[in-house]
Amino acid sequence: EAGVVQSPRYKIIEKKQPVAFWCNPISGHNTLYWYRQNLGQGPELLIRYENEEAVDDSQLPKDRFSAERLKGVDSTLKIQPAELGDSAVYLCASSLGPAPQYGYTFGSGTRLTVV
Amino acid sequence: SQKIEQNSEALNIQEGKTATLTCNYTNYSPAYLQWYRQDPGRGPVFLLLIRENEKEKRKERLKVTFDTTLKQSLFHITASQPADSATYLCALGGADSWGKLQFGAGTQVVVTP
Repeated sequence: EAGVVQSPRYKIIEKKQPVAFWCNPISGHNTLYWYRQNLGQGPELLIRYENEEAVDDSQLPKDRFSAERLKGVDSTLKIQPAELGDSAVYLCASSLGPAPQYGYTFGSGTRLTVV
Repeated sequence: SQKIEQNSEALNIQEGKTATLTCNYTNYSPAYLQWYRQDPGRGPVFLLLIRENEKEKRKERLKVTFDTTLKQSLFHITASQPADSATYLCALGGADSWGKLQFGAGTQVVVTP
């Protein structure tokens, strides 16, 4: 099994430009998460999906960030326009469900650099 | 506000010794705690789960303890190997917030031969 697949691995953009990240979770995992990890910090939750429904997006900066999970499988996270402070690693994770016994499986992340 | 603290200084340890990492928390009553391993350029990998009513969990050379009175979890790697070198993250979750893990910043472990 391929695990959680994310693309691209790296992205460098100028500020004010748009950017999008893609995630393909493990087959059968209904729960999908997007996290942001700043250098030297732990991941911070941006949004959680149960199937195609966003059940927790309280920490998503909705003025510039958007996400979607069509058909409850792949997901896309978008930033428009990007700011310098958005430079970070964006991690996608999936699990069988939100219950704690289902540890998360993370992808390798997309490292975003905004210049 | 809720706070999770892990040693920011790297833990340097000799191969074969036991590495012990600490995860302290304040203003939080977690129902469970998870530990993850993260290698450079990779996402975290789930290692162990321990619930609030459990004192200790083991998995191969790993042992986790959870003391809700001290508000602390200890993570032990016994008979450490150079391949154990990585950053280890603790993550807490509440009974009323399943699926909303809060991660600590992690502690880097360096095991030297």
